[in-house]
Amino acid sequence: QVQLVQSGAEVKKPGASVKVSCKASGYTFTSYDINWVRQATGQGLEWMGWMNPNSGNRGYAQKFQGRVTMTRDTSISTAYMELSSLRSEDTAVYYCARTNGDLDYWGQGTLVTVSS
Amino acid sequence: DIQMTQSPSSLSASVGDRVTITCRASQGVRNELAWYQHKPGKAPERLIYAASSLQSGVPSRFSGSGSGTEFTLTINSLQPEDFATYYCLQHHNYPPLTFGGGTKVEIK
Repeated sequence: QVQLVQSGAEVKKPGASVKVSCKASGYTFTSYDINWVRQATGQGLEWMGWMNPNSGNRGYAQKFQGRVTMTRDTSISTAYMELSSLRSEDTAVYYCARTNGDLDYWGQGTLVTVSS
Repeated sequence: DIQMTQSPSSLSASVGDRVTITCRASQGVRNELAWYQHKPGKAPERLIYAASSLQSGVPSRFSGSGSGTEFTLTINSLQPEDFATYYCLQHHNYPPLTFGGGTKVEIK
């Protein structure tokens, strides 16, 4: 069965960076894009960007341009999302999701807390 | 980019009620729209894809309709486990993806 398993919760100080991993299993990792979505405290779901694990091509929402980097390691079927220059407003649950047109399978979410 | 306007932002309903949630797209997205249920502490769960196709395993009281710019999610006979937040998502001309603002369904 398709599974996306994300890394555990993180606590970071303002200005730091965080890297969240998303390990895929149950399907061919390079056959589907991975997208990242977040839900900040009290807010709705927000799309952050996408990555094609086969080509490595990627694209980011304008809001996160310059601060986010999405990468992958195909040898271990894992996608990564790194967000830098963290601020309190980045406190959120971050999700990876497989893209099959829309988002059909999701990771369990990773809580990132930004606090001094 | 395509904007998705979802309404209402919240509603109160009783068990057994029929609930309707609407999403409007700023331009036509054909049927490239999905609906998700999101509960606190859990990942969003897809209910409907391609505007009106029911995800396997999802109860038949959930249904979706619409095409182009206007879409509806209907929950017939609301159950206690249906109290959650619901989102639409358009994937026309992906990327990008755009979510609606969400509808929180609360117990009356």
